Amino acid sequence: NAGVTQTPKFQVLKTGQSMTLQCAQDMNHEYMSWYRQDPGMGLRLIHYSVGAGITDQGEVPNGYNVSRSTTEDFPLRLLSAAPSQTSVYFCASSYSIFGRGRETQYFGPGTRLLVL
Amino acid sequence: TQLLEQSPQFLSIQEGENLTVYCNSSSVFSSLQWYRQEPGEGPVLLVTVVTGGEVKKLKRLTFQFGDARKDSSLHITAAQPGDTGLYLCAGADRGSTLGRLYFGRGTQLTVWP
Repeated sequence: NAGVTQTPKFQVLKTGQSMTLQCAQDMNHEYMSWYRQDPGMGLRLIHYSVGAGITDQGEVPNGYNVSRSTTEDFPLRLLSAAPSQTSVYFCASSYSIFGRGRETQYFGPGTRLLVL
Repeated sequence: TQLLEQSPQFLSIQEGENLTVYCNSSSVFSSLQWYRQEPGEGPVLLVTVVTGGEVKKLKRLTFQFGDARKDSSLHITAAQPGDTGLYLCAGADRGSTLGRLYFGRGTQLTVWP
């Protein structure tokens, strides 16, 4: 099991460029999510998915799009990058939806994004 | 507005000392989790508490969930340099927003030899 994988590990973008951050998990997890982590801010939820074909917004969804066509993959798209999107992005997955038991959420290693 | 308030934000102690990290909220959570994060890596789950008043122990780490399920604490006994890291608490929402996990800002712990 590779767990949760993210690509790329590092990326530099210019303002206005678009890109897709890739996330994949091989644990057949139902729930996947994207967070951003900024210094002193903890992790903030961007988007999440409770299953293939189902997505919903988190705390900070503006400027990001997601889709979930398969159980394994959950890409995050930056439509038009802005310096405020400079951050470390983490993808995570868990077997079931939170609140229904002692779910374990597994995080990927992160993607470090710099927008100039 | 931060849903979960963690304190202290920074903690620097000597090896062998005890410490407590707090995670407080005015909201009720269905469950609360504690994570530890090393530099350059993603957070790793340490424990999940579900029942109000629940206490869980993980070697020298003791986690407690408040009776009202609004707060939690992490106590480390005889801290070691290997405990150094960022500790994050996270609360799972209830009801219509099932599926969301709200994180505190974290406590950066440094344990000196």
